[in-house]
Amino acid sequence: RKEVEQDPGPFNVPEGATVAFNCTYSNSASQSFFWYRQDCRKEPKLLMSVYSSGNEDGRFTAQLNRASQYISLLIRDSKLSDSATYLCVVNTYYKLSFGAGTTVTVRA
Amino acid sequence: GAVVSQHPSWVICKSGTSVKIECRSLDFQATTMFWYRQFPKQSLMLMATSNEGSKATYEQGVEKDKFLINHASLTLSTLTVTSAHPEDSSFYICSATGQGDNQPQHFGDGTRLSIL
Repeated sequence: RKEVEQDPGPFNVPEGATVAFNCTYSNSASQSFFWYRQDCRKEPKLLMSVYSSGNEDGRFTAQLNRASQYISLLIRDSKLSDSATYLCVVNTYYKLSFGAGTTVTVRA
Repeated sequence: GAVVSQHPSWVICKSGTSVKIECRSLDFQATTMFWYRQFPKQSLMLMATSNEGSKATYEQGVEKDKFLINHASLTLSTLTVTSAHPEDSSFYICSATGQGDNQPQHFGDGTRLSIL
């Protein structure tokens, strides 16, 4: 079983729509969680950390469910510029594990 | 926020050439840096953990003699791909983490290596 699994998508949504996707992780001892955004042929950029109580940053909301070992990302009011691959990243004893990414395409 | 600079961003060279990639933390000291490799449509895979002043820790399956890592200072780590071959063509990315527990990693711009 992979350490981090994501639905690869793609999620094709119209502008203004809401899109959400999950990521599951296998190690219950994992300590911290992040969502990164990666544009084609570019380096990953931190989108947001994911906290136990859930957190919001503008149009982006992240949730963590430790019992079921998954994290989620929700994007409201999608913009064309949100089109990217979103990487789920899990930190376990200072070692990062990456999901393969979920591709989101926002169309006009 | 923390900035990590990576150079060069793109390299094309002949098979058998050795290629050096630099990773610098510009506004913080990084005792630990990480080197990743990413093949198309795949996730980042950790190659090695670079520790300032000591030997790098390589992940299973990564040849230490093939991928030489030097972390000579608190702001610079280098990865040298020795005698590169076409199968080494990939996107190489370094990262560094800031101070404190559970801090996110900040990535360099990445180096696209193409071996002909």
